[in-house]
Amino acid sequence: DAEITQSPRHKITETGRQVTLACHQTWNHNNMFWYRQDLGHGLRLIHYSYGVQDTNKGEVSDGYSVSRSNTEDLPLTLESAASSQTSVYFCASSEFPDRGLRTEAFFGQGTRLTVV
Amino acid sequence: AQKITQTQPGMFVQEKEAVTLDCTYDTSDQSYGLFWYKQPSSGEMIFLIYQGSYDEQNATEGRYSLNFQKARKSANLVISASQLGDSAMYFCAMREVVQGAQKLVFGQGTRLTINP
Repeated sequence: DAEITQSPRHKITETGRQVTLACHQTWNHNNMFWYRQDLGHGLRLIHYSYGVQDTNKGEVSDGYSVSRSNTEDLPLTLESAASSQTSVYFCASSEFPDRGLRTEAFFGQGTRLTVV
Repeated sequence: AQKITQTQPGMFVQEKEAVTLDCTYDTSDQSYGLFWYKQPSSGEMIFLIYQGSYDEQNATEGRYSLNFQKARKSANLVISASQLGDSAMYFCAMREVVQGAQKLVFGQGTRLTINP
């Protein structure tokens, strides 16, 4: 069965360190997304990508970067981790709908990141 | 500007009653999609229901229905005959195409509690 997986599930890092969160999907979806979830803010879009070499900034992209070198993976990098980036991070993937067909986004299990 | 607005931070409902969770959206596009997701305390994101902007009928999936009022830009989720297992966070989301890339944004969520 196709799936989307995130790793690690939990990570503790120190302020100032570079951190990379992995996201791998086997749906062969063109579209991939990264979100952060904080109490009272719902899911906020960090970056999104349509296909290899295409990446776009979302609402809260400062301090984060992504690169898309293949269809399956969209790693999220925190260039210099800050305590404000302590959060739960979700990766998702989806495909464009054909007219009349639905295509929901499929989510990974989430990564809980703590910056100390 | 907020693209997706959920005005009910929390809702409390008696078991077996119907409940309506509100969602309004903002877009100038003609083609877009609206989703509802459920997030139980375990943290995973569970897809519930989808409505395309061109769909003429309101979407239904079992006990879930989407009250889609296009002119008012609202997409409320209706859960009939609520159950204790419906207690969770509920998120409304909208998919747009921005410069060829699919963008999926979420509201802040509504925490639903079903009382026995």
